[in-house]
Amino acid sequence: EIVLTQSPALMAASPGEKVTITCSVSSSISSTNLHWYQQRSETSPKPWIYGTSNLASGVPVRFSGSGSGTSYSLTISSMEAEDAATYYCQQWSSYPLMYTFGGGTKLEIK
Amino acid sequence: EVQLQQSGPELVKPGASMKISCKASGYSFTGYTMNWVKQSHGKNLEWIGLINPYNGVTSYNQKFKGKATLTVDKSSSTAYMDLLSLTSEDSAVYYCARFEDYAYYFDYWGQGTTLTVSS
Repeated sequence: EIVLTQSPALMAASPGEKVTITCSVSSSISSTNLHWYQQRSETSPKPWIYGTSNLASGVPVRFSGSGSGTSYSLTISSMEAEDAATYYCQQWSSYPLMYTFGGGTKLEIK
Repeated sequence: EVQLQQSGPELVKPGASMKISCKASGYSFTGYTMNWVKQSHGKNLEWIGLINPYNGVTSYNQKFKGKATLTVDKSSSTAYMDLLSLTSEDSAVYYCARFEDYAYYFDYWGQGTTLTVSS
């Protein structure tokens, strides 16, 4: 089973600061199969970045995603208060069919 | 507008079974697989399984085989998840989520159903 490890688990950033969250994958995967979700308190996860680098509908352009193989990242070019949330990476594999999530990174505003 | 409307919170006793519903609207129900995801302790997300509403074919995370059973009612565009022999470990928020077959991600999520297992 593929395991996704996110780091850091918790971080705080000041407004305007650049933020990078990483997702390490235990086995190499196709970049089309790596996605990110944003979850704010008491709400359901929202698709945020799909296929490593494609922003979901409505996601601000200050967000970007990159990576390949076993290492992926989500970057915020300039932190804003509304970006405070927990971010999860997720991958799917077809054989056996399985969808797995990282443990999450809680991002707070300083 | 795509919407997935889940049933309300549940409080059930250990050993009981229960069913969560997820009513889809705003798209062709049979055109997308429906998935179920468990979130424990407000953080850990686990994929439970999926069902193809078109033909009823299911696929489960091995961990949840025997615990969860997925079905659909095409006439009402509703997906269901039965949870069996409940224990405190099953207390969690459960989400239904539609799978986007071209980009391979969960593009719409229900609002979540909170299950509490307690005597």
